[in-house]
Amino acid sequence: DSGVTQTPKHLITATGQRVTLRCSPRSGDLSVYWYQQSLDQGLQFLIQYYNGEERAKGNILERFSAQQFPDLHSELNLSSLELGDSALYFCASSLGLAGEMLADEQFFGPGTRLTVL
Amino acid sequence: GENVEQHPSTLSVQEGDSAVIKCTYSDSASNYFPWYKQELGKGPQLIIDIRSNVGEKKDQRIAVTLNKTAKHFSLHITETQPEDSAVYFCAARDTGANSKLTFGKGITLSVRP
Repeated sequence: DSGVTQTPKHLITATGQRVTLRCSPRSGDLSVYWYQQSLDQGLQFLIQYYNGEERAKGNILERFSAQQFPDLHSELNLSSLELGDSALYFCASSLGLAGEMLADEQFFGPGTRLTVL
Repeated sequence: GENVEQHPSTLSVQEGDSAVIKCTYSDSASNYFPWYKQELGKGPQLIIDIRSNVGEKKDQRIAVTLNKTAKHFSLHITETQPEDSAVYFCAARDTGANSKLTFGKGITLSVRP
């Protein structure tokens, strides 16, 4: 158990809908990362937050957004869902920022499996 | 941007044998290289990592070697066991506080009992 929790575990919804995925980082971790894992694309970095502020963006679609709250939990919002958004969504956390010794090791949660019908 | 490739895509070994998984990266500025193990239905688990100022790191049956000149790094698993069967991902990250991890596509390791 990495200490990172994600809810829900599974989510089934229809095209055009909007969903929210939730992540609680390990105790003491300030950075939260979101990844999308699909069969053909592997693990793709979406976005990073550090202590409430957005720090890095990857290949995140404009239909997707995220935020990190004062208690450091994070939510990933996916809107106008398409069939191709079906994937596993992982949250990871780390103590701090990249480059800081022992602070940039990322620990992954169990993921949320999103199915768009 | 960084590009990480893993070879081979699948690997099957007999229990007790060694397994070697190789990765190459493209950005010479990358300085952090973690390896993750992902079992079915679970999230990736960090198993070992290495930084660019070190050539080799070992943790029990697992070791990672880094060749900065050739821009490749490898995961070595000795005395493989059936529970080592999983998908293994390598990743690379360049310098900078806002830099990101770029993952390889993953390799499926099967350990035959």
